[in-house]
Amino acid sequence: GAGVSQSPSNKVTEKGKDVELRCDPISGHTALYWYRQSLGQGLEFLIYFQGNSAPDKSGLPSDRFSAERTGGSVSTLTIQRTQQEDSAVYLCASSVPSGRSPYGEQFFGPGTRLTVL
Amino acid sequence: SQQGEEDPQALSIQEGENATMNCSYKTSINNLQWYRQNSGRGLVHLILIRSNEREKHSGRLRVTLDTSKKSSSLLITASRAADTASYFCATADNNAGNMLTFGGGTRLMVKP
Repeated sequence: GAGVSQSPSNKVTEKGKDVELRCDPISGHTALYWYRQSLGQGLEFLIYFQGNSAPDKSGLPSDRFSAERTGGSVSTLTIQRTQQEDSAVYLCASSVPSGRSPYGEQFFGPGTRLTVL
Repeated sequence: SQQGEEDPQALSIQEGENATMNCSYKTSINNLQWYRQNSGRGLVHLILIRSNEREKHSGRLRVTLDTSKKSSSLLITASRAADTASYFCATADNNAGNMLTFGGGTRLMVKP
């Protein structure tokens, strides 16, 4: 079956513009995560959605970042007034919570490489 | 912030040799996972070891977990050139909600 997909795969934008990044999780996965990865670095957690619960936004670096998940499926990460330091690969992952714990295996999309000029 | 810290940051070996990567963390965890990443794109889950497990095997992969030392190791036996990638450990923290905390990764190069 299809894995996690993300679009666009690459996005080049000018400083100050808004961008929207899309994630299509694996069908049936109730948990969805957004991460950011700067060049040569580890992953930085941004936001987590689980079913109909309020999202965990604790990782969002500023109020310029927001995300929504419509109908418990597709998610959009929006970055307003982009800055050069926003340049990174943005990765989306989905998972099925295992038992009482949500800490199961995460399935990652290919990422969106964002470059802010 | 990064909880898992991988060691070494980079490792270069010859095909056929074993590769060992270590991960240390700081807090109480539910489980620890290892992921592989090719060319800075999506990560692929390799193995998950729960906090009450000490060792787990999957093919050529062997993972150990020592909760008393808050450390884990990933061993890849009989390495192949195709194993060249970055390897990340990720911890599911009992007190950090629902996220995985990733380390900085080990960049492994296997020379043919």
